[in-house]
Amino acid sequence: DTTVKQNPRYKLARVGKPVNLICSQTMNHDTMYWYQKKPNQAPKLLLFYYDKILNREADTFEKFQSSRPNNSFCSLYIGSAGLEYSAMYLCASSRAGGSQNTLYFGAGTRLSVL
Amino acid sequence: SQWGEENLQALSIQEGEDVTMNCSYKTYTTVVQWYRQKSGKGPAQLILIRSNEREKRSGRLRATLDTSSQSSSLSITGTLATDTAVYFCATFFYNQGKLIFGQGTKLSIKP
Repeated sequence: DTTVKQNPRYKLARVGKPVNLICSQTMNHDTMYWYQKKPNQAPKLLLFYYDKILNREADTFEKFQSSRPNNSFCSLYIGSAGLEYSAMYLCASSRAGGSQNTLYFGAGTRLSVL
Repeated sequence: SQWGEENLQALSIQEGEDVTMNCSYKTYTTVVQWYRQKSGKGPAQLILIRSNEREKRSGRLRATLDTSSQSSSLSITGTLATDTAVYFCATFFYNQGKLIFGQGTKLSIKP
């Protein structure tokens, strides 16, 4: 039973339309992450929040936005979806984001862009 | 680009056999984490090994870490059908505060 919840589990979006994915965790973790996973590839880090500080990866900086209104919730926002955004989006949380801290993942949201 | 964007390796073995999966990483680290992802679920950490441990065991799992060659391995003894999953190693980029996944192995155990 996971304590990182992602909604929805499946999302269908049209090209050019916005997409908003939601994640919540109940462990009071400092750090929340968003990864993109495509078939047969490793999860790719998109961005993460350490407390209220957002860090976005350089190569996806302009493609994804995020907000963290409180410690428990984090969203991933795509302003204009393209076909290349079709993927599984994984949310994770950890305590303080340190190297020896476990990341706890949600089951993911599968996004299909048509 | 991030490490690990290349395609997964694939292994298929018979139930009961032992298997070893390897991982090499590109930057200095003192900790390697191994995760397993089963179909329809998010990755879950299996084992964490530190550089001063060289080897770590947990049940049927054994992880090794060689910082001189920047490589790690995960072995499973007496595999079960339920071990079918994708296995990833991951390292932490200290100066950037993030966990990056390496190339994974898609393991299929035939009953």
